[in-house]
Amino acid sequence: GENVEQHPSTLSVQEGDSAVIKCTYSDSASNYFPWYKQELGKRPQLIIDIRSNVGEKKDQRIAVTLNKTAKHFSLHITETQPEDSAVYFCAAKKTQGGSEKLVFGKGTKLTVNP
Amino acid sequence: DGGITQSPKYLFRKEGQNVTLSCEQNLNHDAMYWYRQDPGQGLRLIYYSQIVNDFQKGDIAEGYSVSREKKESFPLTVTSAQKNPTAFYLCASSIGKSTEAFFGQGTRLTVV
Repeated sequence: GENVEQHPSTLSVQEGDSAVIKCTYSDSASNYFPWYKQELGKRPQLIIDIRSNVGEKKDQRIAVTLNKTAKHFSLHITETQPEDSAVYFCAAKKTQGGSEKLVFGKGTKLTVNP
Repeated sequence: DGGITQSPKYLFRKEGQNVTLSCEQNLNHDAMYWYRQDPGQGLRLIYYSQIVNDFQKGDIAEGYSVSREKKESFPLTVTSAQKNPTAFYLCASSIGKSTEAFFGQGTRLTVV
């Protein structure tokens, strides 16, 4: 089945610096790649997603890139702020026989130091 | 509040007892999911369902059971066969193919 690897598990940056989180997936049939942010004690919420027919997507300070050949995708956060501190999860989704399965990575705890 | 509700927020269970976690959504979503979250383990898929009366095992289904009798409801039963049930459980739903999954607020289960 699908396996999603996420790195690093923890990341500490200074305010204003950029942060990059990388994920790899195993199943080439996966076609949807969302990123979620989970603040302490709260539910995960979608921050950006990308579909397999697109190589890059940007939304203000957040961007995601997808390399289908290498089966990896990355989250880029520029000009980080303390409120970006949270756990970030990548995920991959595929359709198999009419059924869909959404598999998550283990998460990256991002700390932005003021 | 996202339209997906989990109850209760906190749940305590004695060893050997079954317990059912509720998940209800009013978003008219077809797909529903149950995840378990442990520190350092991310979100691990327990069960998922695409349509009423149909569901599939995820990666860690042993010791759990689900039902999907109604589109809006996807309850999870943690059975006594689950050896380490203490965890944070998250339910999610999505409208279907290649779309965002919305999460409930979670249920923290503690075995005492």
